[in-house]
Amino acid sequence: GAVVSQHPSWVICKSGTSVKIECRSLDFQATTMFWYRQFPKQSLMLMATSNEGSKATYEQGVEKDKFLINHASLTLSTLTVTSAHPEDSSFYICSAPLLVGDTQYFGPGTRLTVL
Amino acid sequence: SQQGEEDPQALSIQEGENATMNCSYKTSINNLQWYRQNSGRGLVHLILIRSNEREKHSGRLRVTLDTSKKSSSLLITASRAADTASYFCATDAGGNNRLAFGKGNQVVVIP
Repeated sequence: GAVVSQHPSWVICKSGTSVKIECRSLDFQATTMFWYRQFPKQSLMLMATSNEGSKATYEQGVEKDKFLINHASLTLSTLTVTSAHPEDSSFYICSAPLLVGDTQYFGPGTRLTVL
Repeated sequence: SQQGEEDPQALSIQEGENATMNCSYKTSINNLQWYRQNSGRGLVHLILIRSNEREKHSGRLRVTLDTSKKSSSLLITASRAADTASYFCATDAGGNNRLAFGKGNQVVVIP
């Protein structure tokens, strides 16, 4: 099956710093990737759709200046949490579909802890 | 956007028993997907069922979809300890891969 990786798997940072998370499709090209956030014991919430070569589409209530998304190639999307604060601590997961309207493949997630 | 909702939220069963989880949603969908998540890990895709399908099987998994009731069920037969995980349904309303996840079911299979 298709494989999606994320890096780093976990990160601890100080309040006010920025953190970049990478999402890669390892054996397929993904023109679209998705970023989700999951708080402890909660479900996944879609944050944004990352589009290769164009601007990301953000879900309602997600600050685009806070969560910068770049999809510079067909296999890489990055999410940068800018000026991170403790309330940004969460599990961030990306996904990519092989085909539109089909199965999605999820990365292993990145646990962000902001002190 | 719509939100899938599952019930019950927590299920504890003995190994070998069957586990059933339900999911309901609010608007029309293109497809509905079930995922498994082990603690602190990523999601593993289990089954995708399209709006024109009523039932689908994959190994010990059986998924049903009732679009008139806007609900789906996931049945795990002959459960194993390794099935212990959280199970989520997710709906794709527009067929554009934007998924709305339900609250999830925590399943514990006791050896």
